[in-house]
Amino acid sequence: DVKVTQSSRYLVKRTGEKVFLECVQDMDHENMFWYRQDPGLGLRLIYFSYDVKMKEKGDIPEGYSVSREKKERFSLILESASTNQTSMYLCASSLVAVNQPQHFGDGTRLSIL
Amino acid sequence: TQLLEQSPKFLSIQEGENLTVYCNSSSVFSSLQWYRQEPGEGPVLLVTVVTGGEVKKLKRLTFQFGDARKDSSLHITAAQPGDTGLYLCAGANAGNMLTFGGGTRLMVKP
Repeated sequence: DVKVTQSSRYLVKRTGEKVFLECVQDMDHENMFWYRQDPGLGLRLIYFSYDVKMKEKGDIPEGYSVSREKKERFSLILESASTNQTSMYLCASSLVAVNQPQHFGDGTRLSIL
Repeated sequence: TQLLEQSPKFLSIQEGENLTVYCNSSSVFSSLQWYRQEPGEGPVLLVTVVTGGEVKKLKRLTFQFGDARKDSSLHITAAQPGDTGLYLCAGANAGNMLTFGGGTRLMVKP
């Protein structure tokens, strides 16, 4: 089975801090994604990556950056955390072929105080 | 931006009842995926429908993709408490990008 592991289940940080969320997948998937999930809004794509060192902006990239130095690892960075970035963050991976499912981690619930 | 509207947003029913969740868009998708998410976990894929008009069954769950590939429905027969969760539809397009609906939160009471 595909396993997508997010480094923290819960995280509390302060406004202005630089925050790193880490995600690792073990199935050699080309694609990796970062979403945030807020009640009633579903999942909104922040950034995705289709290969090492490649990244593309999603629908809501402002205030975030990403890093993919190795195929299995995709990091989300909040450059200067703000309270409106309090949310559930989900990482996913998939094969590049069309109509392939995305496999999700269990999420990181991030609170910015 | 492609949008997927799910309805209803919340549904609370008794065990044994039937229900249908709808996922609608004005955009055409190459496929439509349904996920279920339980508290404290990430979404897990239930099914992918690809062909317009396609119907897939997964035990008591029946998924249908609209003829024009713009909408989909999920019907649950004789719901059980184990069906409780957040149901998400997601439309797929080029590059395997997904557009997610807002979700339907289902609670099945014993």
